[in-house]
Amino acid sequence: GAVVSQHPSWVICKSGTSVKIECRSLDFQATTMFWYRQFPKQSLMLMATSNEGSKATYEQGVEKDKFLINHASLTLSTLTVTSAHPEDSSFYICSATRPETEKLFFGSGTQLSVL
Amino acid sequence: DAKTTQPTSMDCAEGRAANLPCNHSTISGNEYVYWYRQIHSQGPQYIIHGLKNNETNEMASLIITEDRKSSTLILPHATLRDTAVYYCIAGETGTASKLTFGTGTRLQVTL
Repeated sequence: GAVVSQHPSWVICKSGTSVKIECRSLDFQATTMFWYRQFPKQSLMLMATSNEGSKATYEQGVEKDKFLINHASLTLSTLTVTSAHPEDSSFYICSATRPETEKLFFGSGTQLSVL
Repeated sequence: DAKTTQPTSMDCAEGRAANLPCNHSTISGNEYVYWYRQIHSQGPQYIIHGLKNNETNEMASLIITEDRKSSTLILPHATLRDTAVYYCIAGETGTASKLTFGTGTRLQVTL
């Protein structure tokens, strides 16, 4: 069964609106989660590292004010795409490592389409 | 993370073994070799990982060369459902360790 749950699976929004994506670790606590973005026919690109109880760490070139990350509990991280524009349309994927397994598990992804 | 190099694409007949190579010549001593696959419009799926020794699980086998500069993922009996992009990643373990994805190999399993 799924180890990391991501919601919603897909979302369509108007340009200028904000969209929130949730990522949950289902049966383990995740002090760290990762957010990736994937454009069509491209590989996954790491956007940021979400840290429980502290600020997220963003990769170079990722706007922290546009992609707000909140990791308020040990099982939930959220990514909010603020003032979304068509160029933000992409497949967003979260992940977390299950402790003591050395395995990074991924959510099912969220397809965001901004009109 | 060490850079990995994989062929862009490969074909395999259904029922045959699929052998996917990966070069990671700059891998460091504490980096593992991870393999994931991604089926269209889904999140990556963990397949297998290893440090030095060869590994086998219900999905695949991982063969790592003695110098650890390359590895091969083996799907012993490929099926159509194994058609996916396969990613080889060299990275450290630990809950705070991130994995960097390369371009992967697109495996097409055919009848």
